[in-house]
Amino acid sequence: KQEVTQIPAALSVPEGENLVLNCSFTDSAIYNLQWFRQDPGKGLTSLLLIQSSQREQTSGRLNASLDKSSGRSTLYIAASQPGDSATYLCAVREDDYKLSFGAGTTVTVRA
Amino acid sequence: SAVISQKPSRDICQRGTSLTIQCQVDSQVTMMFWYRQQPGQSLTLIATANQGSEATYESGFVIDKFPISRPNLTFSTLTVSNMSPEDSSIYLCSAAGAIGNTIYFGEGSWLTVV
Repeated sequence: KQEVTQIPAALSVPEGENLVLNCSFTDSAIYNLQWFRQDPGKGLTSLLLIQSSQREQTSGRLNASLDKSSGRSTLYIAASQPGDSATYLCAVREDDYKLSFGAGTTVTVRA
Repeated sequence: SAVISQKPSRDICQRGTSLTIQCQVDSQVTMMFWYRQQPGQSLTLIATANQGSEATYESGFVIDKFPISRPNLTFSTLTVSNMSPEDSSIYLCSAAGAIGNTIYFGEGSWLTVV
């Protein structure tokens, strides 16, 4: 059974600092990995999707890397802003479209 | 991208009652799923909603408690039956398949059982 772990569980940084969020998974036979953002009491917004054959994906200030062989992904958020405050979830997908989620990293960016 | 709409977005329910959540996708999709997110926890898959047939449930979830329908490619319902306070959660619908590899989520339905 796939186990997904996210470290740290919470992070508080001053505005402008870069954020580094880590995700690890136990079974490297994944189809892809997706990073989501969740605001309190809300649904999930997809941020980045990395296919198993890719090493990284970028979108604006966000960059996600994937090392499938070691079971790791890292989400980098450059020059953080208060609007980046949210919970970030990592999810791995196996062949059947089902997602296994980590517990999330709750980010607070202080103005 | 796909837009997924869920109704209701939020509700307060009495213990012992049942509530049906609706999920509508704005494009045809192959797969639809229902997830639960209990307070302070991550998402857990309840079941895969299969078009025109019984849903496929994950371990720990049963049809009598969480009946699911999917009459066509764009619509599904989840009923939470005989609710107890332990059912207080956000219930999220997701969809995938016809829109690339990204899996999309609805805004969620936040149920509080009193």
